[in-house]
Amino acid sequence: EADIYQTPRYLVIGTGKKITLECSQTMGHDKMYWYQQDPGMELHLIHYSYGVNSTEKGDLSSESTVSRIRTEHFPLTLESARPSHTSQYLCASSGDIYEQYFGPGTRLTVT
Amino acid sequence: DQQVKQNSPSLSVQEGRISILNCDYTNSMFDYFLWYKKYPAEGPTFLISISSIKDKNEDGRFTVFLNKSAKHLSLHIVPSQPGDSAVYFCAASEIHSGAGSYQLTFGKGTKLSVIP
Repeated sequence: EADIYQTPRYLVIGTGKKITLECSQTMGHDKMYWYQQDPGMELHLIHYSYGVNSTEKGDLSSESTVSRIRTEHFPLTLESARPSHTSQYLCASSGDIYEQYFGPGTRLTVT
Repeated sequence: DQQVKQNSPSLSVQEGRISILNCDYTNSMFDYFLWYKKYPAEGPTFLISISSIKDKNEDGRFTVFLNKSAKHLSLHIVPSQPGDSAVYFCAASEIHSGAGSYQLTFGKGTKLSVIP
């Protein structure tokens, strides 16, 4: 059973606010990922990490930033939220296998 | 350009019948394929996968078929149950040399509705 957690599950916030989406996993996986997904669309990779102090941007350009100071923790930060950031954000992790395990997601609405 | 395509946005099937979800890909470097199931307001859940060296993988009611020459895979669910109603995502991966990355490229998903 995969154990990966995301908080908050839902967030409604005003334009210009700074937000941090939390993601933690207890499986000791070295690889972690952030995806953005809109209804009816594919999951787009926005950030990934191969281990502590390793972060890379994904295929989809994003104004967000990430950090990986601890193996189990991979937070995503938006310095100044805008309505265009409204989306579902999904965190995932994997070991040395193809299968990625996803958290429940954060539904972000920026008003 | 989409490398993984799920051309049917939705599919309705009667309970007990077979559900067939299709996926096409364009990148010949993909060597591993996965299906995920996603309920609303939840994250995707891994369902079944297949390596490019195989043409079939079965797990209970779920079977995935891979046709490499046609760059096509399909997921069969038999028999379909109302609890199978969800969005199904096809995903593909290729090993990036050096970094050992296992990045996934996803399709847009097919919404399956199983009618009781």
